[in-house]
Amino acid sequence: NAGVTQTPKFRVLKTGQSMTLLCAQDMNHEYMYWYRQDPGMGLRLIHYSVGEGTTAKGEVPDGYNVSRLKKQNFLLGLESAAPSQTSVYFCASSYGDPTEAFFGQGTRLTVV
Amino acid sequence: SQKIEQNSEALNIQEGKTATLTCNYTNYSPAYLQWYRQDPGRGPVFLLLIRENEKEKRKERLKVTFDTTLKQSLFHITASQPADSATYLCARYNAGNMLTFGGGTRLMVKP
Repeated sequence: NAGVTQTPKFRVLKTGQSMTLLCAQDMNHEYMYWYRQDPGMGLRLIHYSVGEGTTAKGEVPDGYNVSRLKKQNFLLGLESAAPSQTSVYFCASSYGDPTEAFFGQGTRLTVV
Repeated sequence: SQKIEQNSEALNIQEGKTATLTCNYTNYSPAYLQWYRQDPGRGPVFLLLIRENEKEKRKERLKVTFDTTLKQSLFHITASQPADSATYLCARYNAGNMLTFGGGTRLMVKP
């Protein structure tokens, strides 16, 4: 029973490099979310998806892109990483309002 | 936009006491509010959901209230234990199933 799995768990990037974070869920959830969490702060929503092939902007979308080609996967891309994107990234999925969200274990990203 | 605010200062209490955490929201009342627990280095875990028309919801030592007049939810942990030390987050769904969170409140229970 994997739930929500994020890959990778840790990554160090140089400024300007690109990378993709993968989120996979096995609960057949329609909705998926990407958040970032900075020290002492809560979760800020980057982008989310309300179904396969659909995505929407969250609270802090700039500098990120997402894709949901398959229902179980939600990818978060950084085209040109910046030090301000150093953060812990969490993926979550749910059946939608008002049900609970299930979270992955997080990806710690450092941009130097 | 709909916002959720939590007290960013850590709450330090003695073991056995009741911890009370606050979640305030702006604009229209959500139909539901959720509460999550987050331990260091881990993703949040769902604890409780309370509906707009419910005054109070309980689960073991946890109690949540919802006051639409004050636009506030209170989260109580009775007979607190050191193992309750964590960050607690409240959350709401906005239009379009956009799930947003408050900043979280860190609770420290001292033995």
